[in-house]
Amino acid sequence: QSALTQPASMSGSPGQSITFSCNGSSSDRVSWYQHHPGKAPKLIIFEASNRPSGVSNRFSGSKSGNTASLTISGLQPEDEADYYCCSYAGARDVFGTGTKVIVL
Amino acid sequence: QVELVQSGGEVKKPGASVKVSCKASGYTFTSYGITWVRQAPRQGLEWMGWINVYNGNTNYAQELQGRVKMTTDTSTNTVYMELRSLQSDDTAVYYCVRGGRGGPFDPWGQGTLVTVSA
Repeated sequence: QSALTQPASMSGSPGQSITFSCNGSSSDRVSWYQHHPGKAPKLIIFEASNRPSGVSNRFSGSKSGNTASLTISGLQPEDEADYYCCSYAGARDVFGTGTKVIVL
Repeated sequence: QVELVQSGGEVKKPGASVKVSCKASGYTFTSYGITWVRQAPRQGLEWMGWINVYNGNTNYAQELQGRVKMTTDTSTNTVYMELRSLQSDDTAVYYCVRGGRGGPFDPWGQGTLVTVSA
């Protein structure tokens, strides 16, 4: 299975909401990770729409067909990071190509 | 708290091998698998493989088959990832993370930078 497809970058102003996609996952076992450069990635959504304890409710996930989506509401400067989706298919986990979120 | 602590950075010459350790604490070690993920400079996250810590079963990325080996030491709650025949494009930050096989990855180790250079 090749990498899941994500837009290379998304941008928004503080307070705005942005939504971006992750295409190619037939499984509901989709998770999303926030990755600030130089730090370890952080789980922000699992099983497509569930948020771990301690993760801001400004992050939400959904899935329709083979497309998963991540929405960041009330964009904050600290949300500027790379975001990766991940899904399980063909006996292996596959990461998305990654989306760089830019806060204007 | 649940924590994964990795060994320090390494510099290797082409053709050499590297072995990175990942020590787990704060949970029942044999209850979760461990996945290894790497990120080359200016690249995305790449899944390398997974080990069942309970029985040692592994599943490796096809492109790394024959060069990667993941093992576990349940007496010290440590997982190891060995990569052989290193080339320059193996230069990357290597992460261990609890979970895999569809389960969420959490938490992640701090990462280990492996640099391959002549």
